[in-house]
Amino acid sequence: GNSVTQMEGPVTLSEEAFLTINCTYTATGYPSLFWYVQYPGEGLQLLLKATKADDKGSNKGFEATYRKETTSFHLEKGSVQVSDSAVYFCALIRIKAAGNKLTFGGGTRVLVKP
Amino acid sequence: DAGVTQSPTHLIKTRGQQVTLRCSPKSGHDTVSWYQQALGQGPQFIFQYYEEEERQRGNFPDRFSGHQFPNYSSELNVNALLLGDSALYLCASSWDSSGANVLTFGAGSRLTVL
Repeated sequence: GNSVTQMEGPVTLSEEAFLTINCTYTATGYPSLFWYVQYPGEGLQLLLKATKADDKGSNKGFEATYRKETTSFHLEKGSVQVSDSAVYFCALIRIKAAGNKLTFGGGTRVLVKP
Repeated sequence: DAGVTQSPTHLIKTRGQQVTLRCSPKSGHDTVSWYQQALGQGPQFIFQYYEEEERQRGNFPDRFSGHQFPNYSSELNVNALLLGDSALYLCASSWDSSGANVLTFGAGSRLTVL
């Protein structure tokens, strides 16, 4: 079956530091890959996505590249802010005819200190 | 434009009771999926509804059931509650069931079972 593995947190950083959250996946076929973010007390928000190999998703200074050869989709940001403190989830979906589901990783909590 | 709305936001039940959670999809969306997010974990897919039918189901017992109404809103019912059912229940909507379109998540209903 499909699965997503991401690095465990918490990840604690100082403001303006570089952030990397590792994500690897197992799936048959060609999944689409996503990063979702969950701020305290809120639901999930889509951060970025990539639908095919070598695609780069980007949003709000975050980037992730779909690497089929290493089955990875690592999230990076060059300079984090306190407002980036949240839980980040890597996820995949396989497109098929009748119904689909997102498969999520366990989440990585990021805490950015001023 | 309202996004996905869920009710209630918080509720407390005791073991053996039954609970109903409600979801209104984002305007223009016709597909609703439900996820269970236990504390400190990633969301797990429960099931998806499209055209008032359950289209796909995750690894959840029959105690979990759902319904979709003609206006695309949905309910999640859980019978014979167990302590382990305590979680954040997330509803997500999209405008088709293929998975090609991004899911929009609500803020969730937090269920505590005592």
